[in-house]
Formats: sequence, structure tokens, C-alpha cells
Amino acid sequence: GEDVEQSLFLSVREGDSSVINCTYTDSSSTYLYWYKQEPGAGLQLLTYIFSNMDMKQDQRLTVLLNKKDKHLSLRIADTQTGDSAIYFCAESQGGGSYIPTFGRGTSLIVHP
Amino acid sequence: EAGVVQSPRYKIIEKKQPVAFWCNPISGHNTLYWYRQNLGQGPELLIRYENEEAVDDSQLPKDRFSAERLKGVDSTLKIQPAELGDSAVYLCASSLTSTNEQFFGPGTRLTVL
Repeated sequence: GEDVEQSLFLSVREGDSSVINCTYTDSSSTYLYWYKQEPGAGLQLLTYIFSNMDMKQDQRLTVLLNKKDKHLSLRIADTQTGDSAIYFCAESQGGGSYIPTFGRGTSLIVHP
Repeated sequence: EAGVVQSPRYKIIEKKQPVAFWCNPISGHNTLYWYRQNLGQGPELLIRYENEEAVDDSQLPKDRFSAERLKGVDSTLKIQPAELGDSAVYLCASSLTSTNEQFFGPGTRLTVL
């Protein structure tokens, strides 16, 4: 199986919350990331969390980490049409190897 | 401040032809990365440079791919000859050091016919 798995699509109504889920397999993952990719653009780091944390909040974004289940989620509050993009979950081990291993991405569609 | 610049943005070639991609990282960034992103997939690292030295190229198909980063600034990724399976988006990223956040360019979309 893949090292990082995500569902491929999520559709939400504008103003609702979006929750994008991710699972990973490497128990030695030290950093877990969420990237955003808009059409025709490169990836933009949205947020990251250390593996010794359970939660991180940054404005409309909330990251939850369940290390036991190797499950990561990204919640976007009050989702806007401008949030429509592909969201990539990624992990790295740190300790000299900060190269992220990416999932396949979740395409978030926000409709009015 | 300008971000990571890549050119061309799009390239269409016939198989067996050569192709080159260029990347200009953010000024002062010592680490430069080339990724390949296949359709519907996340990016996969091809090669990482620390200044002008390639320190991680294990995923670079060396029979047809080559890269260079002369003077530790701009970088070029070349494919010769291109195959149909090389169709993808080639992303360049840079970071201050290998432990800092990576900033991605918009990528070059390659189509091999």
C-alpha cells in the first residue's frame, strides 16, 4: 500500500466546515504537513505539526493528529470558494531527512 | 520578493526528443529540489541539491535524466530522449537549508506525444 493515503474528493457547501483525512504508515514520521495546490500552481505549505503534538490551530485551520492510529486531519472552518484546491498530506522523518512523502491529494470542491 | 521561477510553463514534444527545464530558486536559498508530479499523484523527489552538490539523486532515472546546478543558483533538468511515460509536471522547489520550509515553483507541464 501507499505510505500516505487520502480520499480523492470532497465536496462542501460554502460556509460549512471541511474535514480532509489522511492516514500514514511510517511510525517514525516526525513532521506531518498539509499543502495546498491551486490549478496551475506549485504547492504551498499550509501548516505542519510535530508528531508529539495532538492539535494545532491556525486561524481557520485545525490539524488533529492521532499518532496511535497514524491518522491526520485538516479542518477548514467557514470554507470559502477560494479554498477550492487540491490538498496534500505529507510526512517526513526529520533528523536530516526532511523530504516529504506526499499522498495523492484530496480535491476540495466548494460550491455556493 | 520573487518566488521560485520555472520555465517554460508548458512543453509539448515528440517521444525521443530532448527537453530541458530551467529553475531559478529564491535568492539565498541553498537547497534546491526537483520533483515529478504525475497526473493524480503527489510530487516525488527526483534530486536535491545542497548548493552545487547533488546530495540525493536516488530517484533520478540516470539513463535519460540529468541535472545540474552550476554556481549553486539556477538549475537545469534535462531528459534525453523523452518517453511517453515522462509526461508529468516537473516542479522545482527551494529552501534556505534542507531543514527549512520548501517553496515551490509553478512547475513545467510536459506532454510527450
